[in-house]
Amino acid sequence: NAGVTQTPKFQVLKTGQSMTLQCAQDMNHEYMSWYRQDPGMGLRLIHYSVGAGITDQGEVPNGYNVSRSTTEDFPLRLLSAAPSQTSVYFCASRTPQGDEQFFGPGTRLTVL
Amino acid sequence: GEDVEQSLFLSVREGDSSVINCTYTDSSSTYLYWYKQEPGAGLQLLTYIFSNMDMKQDQRLTVLLNKKDKHLSLRIADTQTGDSAIYFCAETGAGRRALTFGSGTRLQVQP
Repeated sequence: NAGVTQTPKFQVLKTGQSMTLQCAQDMNHEYMSWYRQDPGMGLRLIHYSVGAGITDQGEVPNGYNVSRSTTEDFPLRLLSAAPSQTSVYFCASRTPQGDEQFFGPGTRLTVL
Repeated sequence: GEDVEQSLFLSVREGDSSVINCTYTDSSSTYLYWYKQEPGAGLQLLTYIFSNMDMKQDQRLTVLLNKKDKHLSLRIADTQTGDSAIYFCAETGAGRRALTFGSGTRLQVQP
């Protein structure tokens, strides 16, 4: 199993550009989440999904969209990038009753 | 809402024990986790404890849970320079789909 994979690893955007961060897992996990990590802070939840076709907002959803058309994939879209979205983004997955949450390696995003 | 707090920094000498502390507010927390993050890397799950347990030991790691005080600690025995990293405490509760994280404790191990 590859676990949770994320692409790209690094990205630089200009203010106003849009892009999609990709996340995929091959463990057949129902629950998937997106977090952002900023210096000196823990991880904050952006959006999550409890299954294909079902998504919901987390703590800091503004400026981001998600969709979940398959169990495996959970892309995160930045609609119009802003410097405040400069961060490291982590995708995670687990089963509903699972005790472990598996994280991807992260995408480091810089918005100029 | 849920809140998780940790001290920001801990410095120990190689070979000593390290104790990283965490407090949380949600009395319905079910699972409590410790993650390790090395510079530029993702989060590595070190260990977790279910809320009906008081202690869990895994090689050099010992997790203690005081549910009454909502206090979680991670003890690393014989701390090595390779243990230098940021350690995150996290929790989740019944009916919650994601984890709530503390802001992380930076552990510095001096030779």
